[in-house]
Amino acid sequence: AQSVSQHNHHVILSEAASLELGCNYSYGGTVNLFWYVQYPGQHLQLLLKYFSGDPLVKGIKGFEAEFIKSKFSFNLRKPSVQWSDTAEYFCAVNPNNAGNMLTFGGGTRLMVKP
Amino acid sequence: DTAVSQTPKYLVTQMGNDKSIKCEQNLGHDTMYWYKQDSKKFLKIMFSYNNKELIINETVPNRFSPKSPDKAHLNLHINSLELGDSAVYFCASSQIRDGGSTQYFGPGTRLLVL
Repeated sequence: AQSVSQHNHHVILSEAASLELGCNYSYGGTVNLFWYVQYPGQHLQLLLKYFSGDPLVKGIKGFEAEFIKSKFSFNLRKPSVQWSDTAEYFCAVNPNNAGNMLTFGGGTRLMVKP
Repeated sequence: DTAVSQTPKYLVTQMGNDKSIKCEQNLGHDTMYWYKQDSKKFLKIMFSYNNKELIINETVPNRFSPKSPDKAHLNLHINSLELGDSAVYFCASSQIRDGGSTQYFGPGTRLLVL
């Protein structure tokens, strides 16, 4: 069965530090990839997505992610985090032949200290 | 203008009761979903409806019954509630497109079964 792994469950950073959150998936075919963010007490919001084309994807709020097909990875990055980035981050994968089903990783809780 | 809305936002009830959660989207999407987020923030798809037809039905107890009266609505009825049903339930919607589509999430319904 397909799975999505987010290796970092909890990350604590100081403001202005750089961020990289790992995401790996096990599906071998063509995939669509997403990062969602969930601020405390709120719903999931789309940060960025990859369907095809340039594997370096830029999203909202200064986030970007790079799809590396050979590594089955889609890591999320931000060069300088802010206190307002404190949230839960979810990677999700949709194989192109699985309808529109999303499989989520377990999430990474990011805390940014002011 | 709320794109995907859910009611109620909070639901506290006793074991054994029957309850419903409603979801509406005004995005004109053809597909709607229900996800369950447990206390560890793990997100899992429960159901997906496309044009009022069930297309995904993950391993969910048959106490859970989704109903889609039209493309814009997907309600979730839960019979004989159990303690383990306590979770946050998210509704989402998307427009199915070749190559990939993005799911947009509602604010969630926090269900607590006592």
